[in-house]
Amino acid sequence: DIVMTQGALPNPVPSGESVSITCRSSKSLLYSDGKTYLNWYLQRPGQSPQLLIYWMSTRASGVSDRFSGSGSGTDFTLKISGVEAEDVGVYYCQQGLEFPLTFGSGTKLEIK
Amino acid sequence: QVQLKESGPGLVQPSETLSLTCTVSGFSLTSNSVHWVRQPPGKGLEWMGIIRSGGSTDYNSALKSRLSISRDTSKSQVFLKMNSLQTEDTAIYYCTDWEGWGQGVMVTVSS
Repeated sequence: DIVMTQGALPNPVPSGESVSITCRSSKSLLYSDGKTYLNWYLQRPGQSPQLLIYWMSTRASGVSDRFSGSGSGTDFTLKISGVEAEDVGVYYCQQGLEFPLTFGSGTKLEIK
Repeated sequence: QVQLKESGPGLVQPSETLSLTCTVSGFSLTSNSVHWVRQPPGKGLEWMGIIRSGGSTDYNSALKSRLSISRDTSKSQVFLKMNSLQTEDTAIYYCTDWEGWGQGVMVTVSS
């Protein structure tokens, strides 16, 4: 199975500051079609997860452009430019390359 | 607008079978795949399995021997059945096509 490892944030983060959440996969997620099969989700407290980014860097419909995804085949970053109160929650990365699909353990964001 | 909604019992006895239904709207099951994902209380997300638009399935190998996913396209419903439940199966169960998620159903395994 592909193991997804996420980094932690130095919580709480001051409102308006920019943060980067890291994720590493145990295998390259770059497929032969040129796409990198890495997704990012936000799970706000008490809510279902919400898709933020797919194919490593494509924002999902309706997602603020404060969220951006980047990376290589195995190392990925979700950047939030100017965190706001509504960004509080747990962020998960997930690989979509092969079964079983696997998630990182989550990165919690708290705002000061 | 894509919507998914899970339904099923909130409490299941140990060793018994869990049956959940995911009712979708805003898309056709013959066009989109649907996944089941679960989340134990206070923990992370675990992918359980998929039923593709063509009807084929794949399961998490850790659950494969106990899990079955099926569908009724005429009713826009996807079904999850998992047998031999244990306390560690206590979790919120979600259905999703990744862009849309249900609100989840909390399932507690307890006698």
